[in-house]
Parts: sequence; C-alpha cells; structure tokens
Amino acid sequence: DTEVTQTPKHLVMGMTNKKSLKCEQHMGHRAMYWYKQKAKKPPELMFVYSYEKLSINESVPSRFSPECPNSSLLNLHLHALQPEDSALYLCASSQLGQAVTDTQYFGPGTRLTVL
Amino acid sequence: QKEVEQNSGPLSVPEGAIASLNCTYSDRVSQSFFWYRQYSGKSPELIMSIYSNGDKEDGRFTAQLNKASQYVSLLIRDSQPSDSATYLCAVKGPGGTSYGKLTFGQGTILTVHP
Repeated sequence: DTEVTQTPKHLVMGMTNKKSLKCEQHMGHRAMYWYKQKAKKPPELMFVYSYEKLSINESVPSRFSPECPNSSLLNLHLHALQPEDSALYLCASSQLGQAVTDTQYFGPGTRLTVL
Repeated sequence: QKEVEQNSGPLSVPEGAIASLNCTYSDRVSQSFFWYRQYSGKSPELIMSIYSNGDKEDGRFTAQLNKASQYVSLLIRDSQPSDSATYLCAVKGPGGTSYGKLTFGQGTILTVHP
C-alpha cells in the first residue's frame, strides 16, 4: 500500500483567510514532504520533515507554515496568501530520507485558488 | 546548465510504437533516479526507479541508466493511448545537504495517437 491522502481536494480562499492543508500516510514512512506545482511546471520542493523534525525549508515565505504533529500527519497552514500562490500542493512521503533506494510517493494533491 | 534536462517534446508516437524518453543530469554524485508519470490535473505517479548502471524492466517499461554519461532513459514498448501523459525524470543526490531532495526535469509530454 503506497497511499498518501490529502484533504481537501480543492480549496478557494481569499487573501485574508487562514486555512490548512492536511496530509496523512499510514505506511510507517518517516519522511514527509510538501511540494508546490504550477501549471506546466515540475513540482517544487517546499519543506521536508524527517522523524517529525523540519529538515529542509526551501526559503518558503512565512505565509506558509508547516507542521508535523506526528509521524503520520503533515499540515500546511496558510495565511495571507497571494493570488500567485494558486497552485497544486502535493504531499509526499518516503520510508527513510537518505537511503539510495528511498522513494517518494505522492498524494493526490490539493488544488488551491487564492482570490 | 539545468541540473536535470529532459528532451523537450512534445513527443507523439503511434499506438503500438516504442516511446523513448531521455534525461541527463549534471550532478555526478547522484545515486537515485526515478520516472514519474503525471496525467493532466493529477499528481505524479511513480512508474520506475533505477539505481545501478544498465537496464531495468517492468512490464512494458524499461529504464536505462548510464552514470558515466550521466544519462537515464525510459522506453515504453507497445505504447497505448492511456500512456499519454507528462513524464517527469527525477534525480536524488547521496544525502547530506541534498537530504531527500528530488530534482525534477521539466517533463516531457507524450501523446500516443490511435
């Protein structure tokens, strides 16, 4: 089973709203990732959590705030977003971040529109 | 120079043909190579991973890796219209500061026409 789930599937929010994206995996993976993907572009890494600790922040603006409450859950809190933040937000997980054979599996994504 | 480059495409092949997708990478110490398929509006789906030089086959898919040439490819035999998608080549370094980080190519759009 390589299932990563994400909620909600779609989200429309105004620039003054606060919302959260959720990601869950029950594969026992110890690394979880947030990516942002704009149309016709590859995914761009935002954050990496390893053993529930933030290990990579790709200089993401502070209006995006990640949280890893436990090894199965990953949240992305959104506040004061801009229209250019509209994108597909992808969560991924992998068993162990550094091993050569470590493989990332993606969730279905949340399509975010900022008005 | 881009870190991971894919043939720009789009690539159009007839049903039943072999589709050949190519990818080159710049970081010589890269150790892990992945091909993801992404249908329009959907998330990337892993179809192949390869770590050692040579060929790796899985059904109609064959991944080829040549570390000396810094080249990885994906062959799709007996292409079907359902193979029409964007194919993303992704490369992972050995760890350390590139901990768990995948570097993606820009993707190649494949269209298989009946």
